[in-house]
Amino acid sequence: KAGVTQTPRYLIKTRGQQVTLSCSPISGHRSVSWYQQTPGQGLQFLFEYFSETQRNKGNFPGRFSGRQFSNSRSEMNVSTLELGDSALYLCASSFRVGKVNTEAFFGQGTRLTVV
Amino acid sequence: GESVGLHLPTLSVQEGDNSIINCAYSNSASDYFIWYKQESGKGPQFIIDIRSNMDKRQGQRVTVLLNKTVKHLSLQIAATQPGDSAVYFCAESSGGSYIPTFGRGTSLIVHP
Repeated sequence: KAGVTQTPRYLIKTRGQQVTLSCSPISGHRSVSWYQQTPGQGLQFLFEYFSETQRNKGNFPGRFSGRQFSNSRSEMNVSTLELGDSALYLCASSFRVGKVNTEAFFGQGTRLTVV
Repeated sequence: GESVGLHLPTLSVQEGDNSIINCAYSNSASDYFIWYKQESGKGPQFIIDIRSNMDKRQGQRVTVLLNKTVKHLSLQIAATQPGDSAVYFCAESSGGSYIPTFGRGTSLIVHP
């Protein structure tokens, strides 16, 4: 079974640009979450999508957005990039079972550098 | 959980020793806990999980212990190997919330 796939692995963008990151979850997983990881702040939750709807949202500005498609693939977009957006962006997929939490499986991440 | 600071707690062990990594959590409603391992340049990798109706769970070379009374979680790695060198995170979540809160992480360094 293929794992969580994130593309691209590396990105370099300039301030003010926008970027779109992609995540393909494990087959059968319908929940996709996004995290930002930086040395200073650790793993910070961005948002979670389930059945094409955003179910939970972290404390990030509106420049960070996402969506999920009918095949559960997800994209996140960051507009008007700032230097502080440089981070490893991680996607995790999980198989929701009613209200029972299950483990989340992470992709390799996309390393975004804003210059 | 706490945010990961610039300086992670570090545990240094010799190859073959047993390692114990600790994690404290603050939410008494947390009922599901996961340990992740993150190697340099990679995403976190699931190691083992435990639900609050258990106090111990064993995997291959790993054991997780949960003490709900003092809100403490530990990961024990038997016969630690150089390949175990990584940052280890605990994560907690409570019923109905699919969003785990991650701890600050511990850097495990295994010396051959």
